[in-house]
Amino acid sequence: DTEVTQTPKHLVMGMTNKKSLKCEQHMGHRAMYWYKQKAKKPPELMFVYSYEKLSINESVPSRFSPECPNSSLLNLHLHALQPEDSALYLCASSHPSGDRGPNTGELFFGEGSRLTVL
Amino acid sequence: AQSVAQPEDQVNVAEGNPLTVKCTYSVSGNPYLFWYVQYPNRGLQFLLKYITGDNLVKGSYGFEAEFNKSQTSFHLKKPFALVSDSALYFCAVRPYPFAGSARQLTFGSGTQLTVLP
Repeated sequence: DTEVTQTPKHLVMGMTNKKSLKCEQHMGHRAMYWYKQKAKKPPELMFVYSYEKLSINESVPSRFSPECPNSSLLNLHLHALQPEDSALYLCASSHPSGDRGPNTGELFFGEGSRLTVL
Repeated sequence: AQSVAQPEDQVNVAEGNPLTVKCTYSVSGNPYLFWYVQYPNRGLQFLLKYITGDNLVKGSYGFEAEFNKSQTSFHLKKPFALVSDSALYFCAVRPYPFAGSARQLTFGSGTQLTVLP
């Protein structure tokens, strides 16, 4: 069982809707990530939060808005999406890049939220 | 810039036979190397990593990987394949020490492993 929980597992929305994806982890990690994954392709990094502050935005369109309310939670707010935004959205967590320790490096992923934009 | 190559999009192997999924990398400095597996409609699961030390790394579900610095490779192996090993496998690298945007994980393109009964 994954220790990173994502909800909802499936989401269908129209192009004018506003919805949110949620992610929660209780591993004490202080870095959290959003990835977008198309079928049979590697995940593409969207955002990175480190110590609850946005540290990386990979030129993601503003219709995707991340939020990190606390060290355990990560949200992705969705508004006015396009059909090409349909994908599996993966949340991940890790120790921040600057930290050292036995767990430095690997990311722990949630099961993903499958988004379909009509 | 760092990169990862998985030269085979698809690997087919008979159940009970050994399997190898290939990965080569390019990175400045020392590499941290990882293998992840993704089952259909699931997230990525961490299998194993190489940080330092013994070149043969053992991971989950009986998988192992061998780090070869001279060939810049990190191939995933398992001595006896199971049908349940059928999945999409990703190799990934990040440099150590971490620096700038390169601190993030770079994934390979993925290899679909199919184990035939």
